[in-house]
Amino acid sequence: KQEVTQIPAALSVPEGENLVLNCSFTDSAIYNLQWFRQDPGKGLTSLLLIQSSQREQTSGRLNASLDKSSGRSTLYIAASQPGDSATYLCAVYNDYKLSFGAGTTVTVRA
Amino acid sequence: DAGVTQSPTHLIKTRGQQVTLRCSPKSGHDTVSWYQQALGQGPQFIFQYYEEEERQRGNFPDRFSGHQFPNYSSELNVNALLLGDSALYLCASSLGGWTETQYFGPGTRLLVL
Repeated sequence: KQEVTQIPAALSVPEGENLVLNCSFTDSAIYNLQWFRQDPGKGLTSLLLIQSSQREQTSGRLNASLDKSSGRSTLYIAASQPGDSATYLCAVYNDYKLSFGAGTTVTVRA
Repeated sequence: DAGVTQSPTHLIKTRGQQVTLRCSPKSGHDTVSWYQQALGQGPQFIFQYYEEEERQRGNFPDRFSGHQFPNYSSELNVNALLLGDSALYLCASSLGGWTETQYFGPGTRLLVL
């Protein structure tokens, strides 16, 4: 059974600092890995999707890396802003579904 | 191009009642999956529909059932509601199966009293 863990559970940083969010998974037989953002009470907004053959994916201030062999992915957010405050979830595609971590809740202080 | 839509947005029910949630997939998408997200947790897979059949099912009781229509829209039905069924229910669609990019709807917030 795939287990996805996100550490830390919560993070508070001053504006302008770079964010590093970690995701680990137990079964390396994945197709894709996707990072999502979730605002309180809202649905999921897709940030980045990394295919299993890729090592990283970038979009604006966001960069996500994937190391399948070690079962790890990292999401980097450069020069954080108060608008980046949200919960960030990673999900792996395997066994006919997405398996999610519990998320990292980020607070960016102005 | 409309994304994934879900209705209703919010719903309040009492224990023992039945509820039906609806999902319209992104245009052209033929695969619909349902997830339950309890407060403070990541979404959990309920089941997936493809070509009007349930293809995969997560660890949820038979009280949870679904349907996919010829236009690929889908319904999630929950019978004999329990307090623990209170959650955000998310629908995701994709084209060509579960390995393809999943697009999520805004969710339906269900509160069971």
